[in-house]
Amino acid sequence: NAGVTQTPKFQVLKTGQSMTLQCAQDMNHEYMSWYRQDPGMGLRLIHYSVGAGITDQGEVPNGYNVSRSTTEDFPLRLLSAAPSQTSVYFCASSSVGTGARNQPQHFGDGTRLSIL
Amino acid sequence: AQKVTQAQTEISVVEKEDVTLDCVYETRDTTYYLFWYKQPPSGELVFLIRRNSFDEQNEISGRYSWNFQKSTSSFNFTITASQVVDSAVYFCALSEARGGSEKLVFGKGTKLTVNP
Repeated sequence: NAGVTQTPKFQVLKTGQSMTLQCAQDMNHEYMSWYRQDPGMGLRLIHYSVGAGITDQGEVPNGYNVSRSTTEDFPLRLLSAAPSQTSVYFCASSSVGTGARNQPQHFGDGTRLSIL
Repeated sequence: AQKVTQAQTEISVVEKEDVTLDCVYETRDTTYYLFWYKQPPSGELVFLIRRNSFDEQNEISGRYSWNFQKSTSSFNFTITASQVVDSAVYFCALSEARGGSEKLVFGKGTKLTVNP
């Protein structure tokens, strides 16, 4: 049981390049989300999804796109990378609903992204 | 709007000392969930506890204990007899979502250093 898997673990991009951060979970969780972690800022929610075909914006969505075509996968796309997007990105998943009230979010190990 | 404040940016203690990490939150909802996560130097996020707004009982788990006080909107975390392995960044987080784990709002974290 792998939990939440993020790839790649590290990536260096040049300004203007595009890339997709991958996130996959094998726990059949309905809810998935992306956070970014910057020094001194804690984690901030970028986008989230409550199920396949449904996505919504979090606190800091600008510059990022997401889609949720399957329950398992929730990729995060940077269309034109900017230095301000240098950060550590975490994907998380959890169940939604009454029966899942004791289940915390499961976080992936993070992707460290540097944009030059 | 939701907000989580961890006023202590960094704390340094000597092994075996007790240490309390403070967390103050703001929310307009009567139903909400509070969390603590640990982020060791390796970078992953480790879930420690989740507490809902209707359960003000303090909780103890080994050397860890949590004091939830709705009257002061605080959810403080105490480590008794600290150990070097407790060195990490600790995040307090809040969720107003119905499922209880989604859309976390994080504090900026407290970096705890336990010296031998």
